[in-house]
Amino acid sequence: GESVGLHLPTLSVQEGDNSIINCAYSNSASDYFIWYKQESGKGPQFIIDIRSNMDKRQGQRVTVLLNKTVKHLSLQIAATQPGDSAVYFCAENRGSSNTGKLIFGQGTTLQVKP
Amino acid sequence: DAGVTQSPTHLIKTRGQQVTLRCSPKSGHDTVSWYQQALGQGPQFIFQYYEEEERQRGNFPDRFSGHQFPNYSSELNVNALLLGDSALYLCASSFTGALGTQYFGPGTRLLVL
Repeated sequence: GESVGLHLPTLSVQEGDNSIINCAYSNSASDYFIWYKQESGKGPQFIIDIRSNMDKRQGQRVTVLLNKTVKHLSLQIAATQPGDSAVYFCAENRGSSNTGKLIFGQGTTLQVKP
Repeated sequence: DAGVTQSPTHLIKTRGQQVTLRCSPKSGHDTVSWYQQALGQGPQFIFQYYEEEERQRGNFPDRFSGHQFPNYSSELNVNALLLGDSALYLCASSFTGALGTQYFGPGTRLLVL
């Protein structure tokens, strides 16, 4: 089926280090992207979003970068903490920004070592 | 302010049976989307409801149907269950002015034997 691709299935980082999770998308018409965090046994939790008219957006300890030229998205987590351990999904809103049909990647598991 | 709620949390059915899952959206949201998440996979879009009508649909068969009530809550129905329907079913709510910003419930884990 449709999907957005992530580069690595598992990322292991040391507590306190910065984490970078990457995502590639295929539809150049997509204009809205979201990162979700999913902990075991829970639904996806909204982290941060970005629209295609932006290259970068910052939140609390997180930054999303969008490179439309190569259709690449990344999530940077500063000073990674044990509570950041989870599966991270990028999702694109396929088509116009008002459709609400999110296409998800397969996820990257972030493991934080104490 | 309650977030998105779903019921039941877990469900076991046998092949051929029918199941109904329920979702209450976040306060102030009027749109409900349903997703299926197989183990180890990302969520797959099933369909979306707004103003009590199905507004758009993903690549799922007609065995999957839904409903939205006047209070914006929603149901997902699956008929003639198959083993492959075993998954986590997620409901996401949003406001029609910001459809991409969807907030997810905890999901219903369905096991088909």
